[in-house]
Amino acid sequence: GAVVSQHPSWVICKSGTSVKIECRSLDFQATTMFWYRQFPKQSLMLMATSNEGSKATYEQGVEKDKFLINHASLTLSTLTVTSAHPEDSSFYICSAEDPSGANVLTFGAGSRLTVL
Amino acid sequence: QKEVEQNSGPLSVPEGAIASLNCTYSDRGSQSFFWYRQYSGKSPELIMSIYSNGDKEDGRFTAQLNKASQYVSLLIRDSQPSDSATYLCAVNEGGYQKVTFGTGTKLQVIP
Repeated sequence: GAVVSQHPSWVICKSGTSVKIECRSLDFQATTMFWYRQFPKQSLMLMATSNEGSKATYEQGVEKDKFLINHASLTLSTLTVTSAHPEDSSFYICSAEDPSGANVLTFGAGSRLTVL
Repeated sequence: QKEVEQNSGPLSVPEGAIASLNCTYSDRGSQSFFWYRQYSGKSPELIMSIYSNGDKEDGRFTAQLNKASQYVSLLIRDSQPSDSATYLCAVNEGGYQKVTFGTGTKLQVIP
């Protein structure tokens, strides 16, 4: 099946710094990727839809200037958390639509961000 | 606001029993329905997808969809301790790629 690779799997940073998370579709092209955030014991919340070659579409309440998304190629989307603060600490998961099924999502392994 | 609702649990079942997980959704235009399993600290993985009314079986798993009642369920037969996880119901409206997730039901299978 389709594989989505996400890196890094975990990162610890100081408050005020920026962190970049990469999401790659390994064996298929993904014109659209999705970034989710999951706080402890909560469900996945869609942050934004990343579109190859165009601007990302952000969900209501998500600051586009804080969570920068770049989808420069058909296999790579990046999420940069700028000026991170402790409240940004969360589990960030990217996904792409699996070519094998309608609307089926394949998820990356996730990136656990801890901001000190 | 499109909503997908699940009982958070935990749902405890003995090993070998049938686990029944339920989900309701608010958007009548929804066309694609999914069950994902998420182990603690891991990302979700697809268990079942269902697109039309009725039952769909895959091994020990059966998904049931009733669009009139806006209800989708997952049955796990012969539950195993390795099935212990959080099960996320997800719904897609159709025509759009956005998928909305429920809060998940935590399942505990007791040996």
